[in-house]
Amino acid sequence: KNEVEQSPQNLTAQEGEFITINCSYSVGISALHWLQQHPGGGIVSLFMLSSGKKKHGRLIATINIQEKHSSLHITASHPRDSAVYICAVKSEGTGNQFYFGTGTSLTVIP
Amino acid sequence: NAGVTQTPKFQVLKTGQSMTLQCAQDMNHEYMSWYRQDPGMGLRLIHYSVGAGITDQGEVPNGYNVSRSTTEDFPLRLLSAAPSQTSVYFCASSLYGGTYQETQYFGPGTRLLVL
Repeated sequence: KNEVEQSPQNLTAQEGEFITINCSYSVGISALHWLQQHPGGGIVSLFMLSSGKKKHGRLIATINIQEKHSSLHITASHPRDSAVYICAVKSEGTGNQFYFGTGTSLTVIP
Repeated sequence: NAGVTQTPKFQVLKTGQSMTLQCAQDMNHEYMSWYRQDPGMGLRLIHYSVGAGITDQGEVPNGYNVSRSTTEDFPLRLLSAAPSQTSVYFCASSLYGGTYQETQYFGPGTRLLVL
């Protein structure tokens, strides 16, 4: 049983398309993170949110605490967006346990 | 700031050998952690530390030891490597850990192959 489920697992898009990646979780959380892992392996934190919506450039992240669901949107996608996007939740309680999704592999074709 | 650094980048071990994966951060972060990443699975927490002298087990601690003698360094030790420990290991840090809402910073990863 995975505490965090992502969909889709793989996604191919044409440059310029609007992209949505979904994350559902089953545990109580204090925060949800969206991470980006590039083909070279490095992991970068994109967003941290506990309610509502955040926007950085072409990236938008939303969270619905009641439904235990978050979405990551990419507008006007570009080949440089090609990466694995990982959803991670920080558990309630001590908050020192993170649960990670298996990632969504995105390929944006020129 | 160098951020979070890890060495080595890649290592091949034979079953039964021991080694230490190094992790250091120069951001004065209290919280440091080690994860392993395996194909088809999300990152899994091995051990974490909320400050110098304080460590605790994560989800998959067996076969690994840690210590935290300084704020900057958090080495991960494999005492007797097994093929099941073949994985990519990431070290991460954040300012406080716990329920604080804060960004985690990841190191570049160490690829370990145990033959």
